[in-house]
Amino acid sequence: IAGITQAPTSQILAAGRRMTLRCTQDMRHNAMYWYRQDLGLGLRLIHYSNTAGTTGKGEVPDGYSVSRANTDDFPLTLASAVPSQTSVYFCASSATRSGGELFFGEGSRLTVL
Amino acid sequence: ELKVEQNPLFLSMQEGKNYTIYCNYSTTSDRLYWYRQDPGKSLESLFVLLSNGAVKQEGRLMASLDTKARLSTLHITAAVHDLSATYFCAGSGGGADGLTFGKGTHLIIQP
Repeated sequence: IAGITQAPTSQILAAGRRMTLRCTQDMRHNAMYWYRQDLGLGLRLIHYSNTAGTTGKGEVPDGYSVSRANTDDFPLTLASAVPSQTSVYFCASSATRSGGELFFGEGSRLTVL
Repeated sequence: ELKVEQNPLFLSMQEGKNYTIYCNYSTTSDRLYWYRQDPGKSLESLFVLLSNGAVKQEGRLMASLDTKARLSTLHITAAVHDLSATYFCAGSGGGADGLTFGKGTHLIIQP
């Protein structure tokens, strides 16, 4: 059972380039989330989706966009990457919208130069 | 808005000792989670605490919840090196979707 698969696991990117981080889950969970993890700041929510076809903004949404065309996939796009977006990005899912246990992918380490 | 604060943020301790990590949260939280993260790895769920007075135990780790004090604790008994990791508490509610995480406690257990 894969759970949540993220790709790529690591990427170095020039500033100004467009980048999409992919996230796929096989648990049929309704809710999906993107967090970024930065040293000393913990995990901060970027965007979320409570069900296919809907998305919402989290704590730090600027510079990021998401889509949820179906239940399984929740890609995160950086339209024009900046160095402050250097981070580790975690995709997560939950069976329930509010307060449910989160299951995390393995993370995508992104470096923007 | 739910805010979650952990302390300490960094802890170095010796094997065999006991210690407690504290997690305070600012508003009513529907439930409280503890997660573990090993270096370079993902987050693994340890405990979910659903109600006031809830206590969960797994091996040398015990988590508790006091909703009146808005406080959860993670107690480590007779620490061993394998428990070295970063521990996060996370709460739900306060108008936010998903979970709101504390900054994490980086725990190093030395022989």
